[in-house]
Amino acid sequence: AQTVTQSQPEMSVQEAETVTLSCTYDTSESDYYLFWYKQPPSRQMILVIRQEAYKQQNATENRFSVNFQKAAKSFSLKISDSQLGDAAMYFCAYRSAGMIKAAGNKLTFGGGTRVLVKP
Amino acid sequence: EPEVTQTPSHQVTQMGQEVILRCVPISNHLYFYWYRQILGQKVEFLVSFYNNEISEKSEIFDDQFSVERPDGSNFTLKIRSTKLEDSAMYFCASSYQGFGEAFFGQGTRLTVV
Repeated sequence: AQTVTQSQPEMSVQEAETVTLSCTYDTSESDYYLFWYKQPPSRQMILVIRQEAYKQQNATENRFSVNFQKAAKSFSLKISDSQLGDAAMYFCAYRSAGMIKAAGNKLTFGGGTRVLVKP
Repeated sequence: EPEVTQTPSHQVTQMGQEVILRCVPISNHLYFYWYRQILGQKVEFLVSFYNNEISEKSEIFDDQFSVERPDGSNFTLKIRSTKLEDSAMYFCASSYQGFGEAFFGQGTRLTVV
């Protein structure tokens, strides 16, 4: 079974600065997706960014970018030019890409990292 | 933009009562999921549903839980006899494919007293 680990329970960043969140995962599969979800105080799960394992290029969405190291099974999220609205819990998640069964593959989440943004 | 909608946003129920949490997935999506998040903990998979049947369930999803897609739009999670430890945020999600991006609803906060 796949596992996802986020080793930083909480990270603090000054407004306009950069923060990097760590995520490692364990899998024997070669084809999968990785995601970062943001969960603000409202507790809604908002997709921030996705990475497909077969793509070597790191995904970027505006101020959010990832550093995907497939061999190291590492998937970190960098938030640049941090804004007050970035304060939230961030969850790393894994999803198999293979369709051995037509079941739909579940997401496996890490434990989350709380990001605090200081004005 | 299409979105997953969950109702109610918050439900308080007495221990032992039955609750039904409702979800309207994105209309052309084929795969449906329920996840649970106990306050302060990670998001946990409960069940996936495809082609009108459960395709996978976790050990959390015991006989007290059931899911149904009663019509072409709703997807429900029923808890037959709620326990205090069922208090959590319940998220519905859907996806067009069985892999790739899943879209989440805003969640239903269930409080069992």
